[in-house]
Amino acid sequence: GAVVSQHPSRVICKSGTSVKIECRSLDFQATTMFWYRQFPKKSLMLMATSNEGSKATYEQGVEKDKFLINHASLTLSTLTVTSAHPEDSSFYICSAQLAYTTDTQYFGPGTRLTVL
Amino acid sequence: GENVEQHPSTLSVQEGDSAVIKCTYSDSASNYFPWYKQELGKGPQLIIDIRSNVGEKKDQRIAVTLNKTAKHFSLHITETQPEDSAVYFCAASRNTGFQKLVFGTGTRLLVSP
Repeated sequence: GAVVSQHPSRVICKSGTSVKIECRSLDFQATTMFWYRQFPKKSLMLMATSNEGSKATYEQGVEKDKFLINHASLTLSTLTVTSAHPEDSSFYICSAQLAYTTDTQYFGPGTRLTVL
Repeated sequence: GENVEQHPSTLSVQEGDSAVIKCTYSDSASNYFPWYKQELGKGPQLIIDIRSNVGEKKDQRIAVTLNKTAKHFSLHITETQPEDSAVYFCAASRNTGFQKLVFGTGTRLLVSP
């Protein structure tokens, strides 16, 4: 139980294009999902907290117009990297929290974004 | 805000030995402490967690201890195996509202056969 999927697992795009990453909770409902960014050999950095049906809350220093987050249902959140540039290349990981609890976060497998 | 420090950054052990990873936190209101294992190119996997109402929790070869007074918690892995090799992250949060995890810097564990 508590499986979280991400799609795509890997994406390569040209500079200036937009990329959408999906995060799904497969066997549970999640009122809250989180998006993280991880650089090589570094820890996870929280980008934003996504709540179903409301606007995401972004961490300080994260551009909300650059990283668009939508949490349209209890099982799906999307992160869109708009007008991607090489410095946006990173490992993006989502996590989901069981609905109506403040309990454990379950992480997805991550998406490797490479911007050329 | 919360700050979590983790040591050591790398740890090499022989198969069968024990491994201990330590974390300290700064926010005395933190009451939830999970440990995650991350293999190369994959997302973190929860391996054990502990809440502030207990001092120790064990699951087969893995155990976690918590000292609230000193604000530190540790991961203990006994009888290590090569497949335990990975990066381990500790984290801390207040279990209220939106649970924002603050992660430690990670420990790269290498278990040699």
